[in-house]
Amino acid sequence: ETGVTQTPRHLVMGMTNKKSLKCEQHLGHNAMYWYKQSAKKPLELMFVYSLEERVENNSVPSRFSPECPNSSHLFLHLHTLQPEDSALYLCASSPTLAREQYFGPGTRLTVT
Amino acid sequence: AQSVTQLDSHVSVSEGTPVLLRCNYSSSYSPSLFWYVQHPNKGLQLLLKYTSAATLVKGINGFEAEFKKSETSFHLTKPSAHMSDAAEYFCVVSAGSGTYKYIFGTGTRLKVLA
Repeated sequence: ETGVTQTPRHLVMGMTNKKSLKCEQHLGHNAMYWYKQSAKKPLELMFVYSLEERVENNSVPSRFSPECPNSSHLFLHLHTLQPEDSALYLCASSPTLAREQYFGPGTRLTVT
Repeated sequence: AQSVTQLDSHVSVSEGTPVLLRCNYSSSYSPSLFWYVQHPNKGLQLLLKYTSAATLVKGINGFEAEFKKSETSFHLTKPSAHMSDAAEYFCVVSAGSGTYKYIFGTGTRLKVLA
């Protein structure tokens, strides 16, 4: 798990707040991913970056805004979220696209 | 279209007995298949992967899986369960040839009884 780190591990925010999730990978990988894991549902792919370019936006609402300043860091900026956005947000990286993905520990987000 | 089915949502075994977690897949390509494990309040850890090399794949922590094309199965096994194996296990198939898109199963929660 130390290969991909995520901060914070837990976040409680109101619907009018703005916050950011951070992901950092120490594996020298070129691709990074954001997933949402909700109870009783399969993991949902949200965004994919390869060499800092976004290659996937899986119909994610605009209240989620990703940023990838370099191949080691990935952010997810959050604003005006809804209670149904409460979930575990997982970051992953892979050596290149289509290679096996390595996951971070996740950020448990609660929207009140 | 690709899909993956984990046949059991919950499995209970006694410590020291074998583990079998079942996974069936559907793919119009030669698939890449993975097993991941998720312990409570943790991220997903890659246990093993199949990418069209040997059909019997050995992973970490004593787990292995066998790719059976004729049965479209990729079951996960371990000869002897440990208490630390209690977790949720996900079978994953790649959505197509050379794609980063994973299709996740709904997970199997493994309980290990003392």
